[in-house]
Amino acid sequence: DAKTTQPPSMDCAEGRAANLPCNHSTISGNEYVYWYRQIHSQGPQYIIHGLKNNETNEMASLIITEDRKSSTLILPHATLRDTAVYYCIVSAYNTDKLIFGTGTRLQVFP
Amino acid sequence: KAGVTQTPRYLIKTRGQQVTLSCSPISGHRSVSWYQQTPGQGLQFLFEYFSETQRNKGNFPGRFSGRQFSNSRSEMNVSTLELGDSALYLCASSLVAGELKKTQYFGPGTRLLVL
Repeated sequence: DAKTTQPPSMDCAEGRAANLPCNHSTISGNEYVYWYRQIHSQGPQYIIHGLKNNETNEMASLIITEDRKSSTLILPHATLRDTAVYYCIVSAYNTDKLIFGTGTRLQVFP
Repeated sequence: KAGVTQTPRYLIKTRGQQVTLSCSPISGHRSVSWYQQTPGQGLQFLFEYFSETQRNKGNFPGRFSGRQFSNSRSEMNVSTLELGDSALYLCASSLVAGELKKTQYFGPGTRLLVL
């Protein structure tokens, strides 16, 4: 399984865009990039995933570089409730096994 | 539609005992995975079940076992508990394992404290 590298922590002002980077330079061709987040003491929550195209849903946007070696999760208008640990995960096509790294602790401040 | 439910939510056991945790997936979901979360090791994959078969197993000792029933409900068992087994145990379900890439939905977890 490919490994990911994320900054340990980031701050973002409420209402501004939060851009969370992730490096996955050893990703394989059949591996997807997933983002989950975990709000304190709750189970992780799915945010978005992609293979090679940029993706957008009601929660966030995912930008994957052309060489697929890195990606950025964008929360367009961060709120205080977005304060959480964000995990970037690469996962093989044929399994539900997720390898969580240490994630990025995003603190949204007023 | 109800989410993933886990029982019990909190549990206190003593060293040497065994424990069984239960997970009910979202209705219609057939794949269930288990994870252990500790402050020191973070979130670690335990096992993955689909159609009552274990498809994948993480790097945990044989004291950790699991099973899945025909209704997709799953249980995990930890025997001969050690202090280091104190953790949040999370269950996740997804619609179908394998062919289609899909999302996993996590339950609230069972917090186990071993004294």
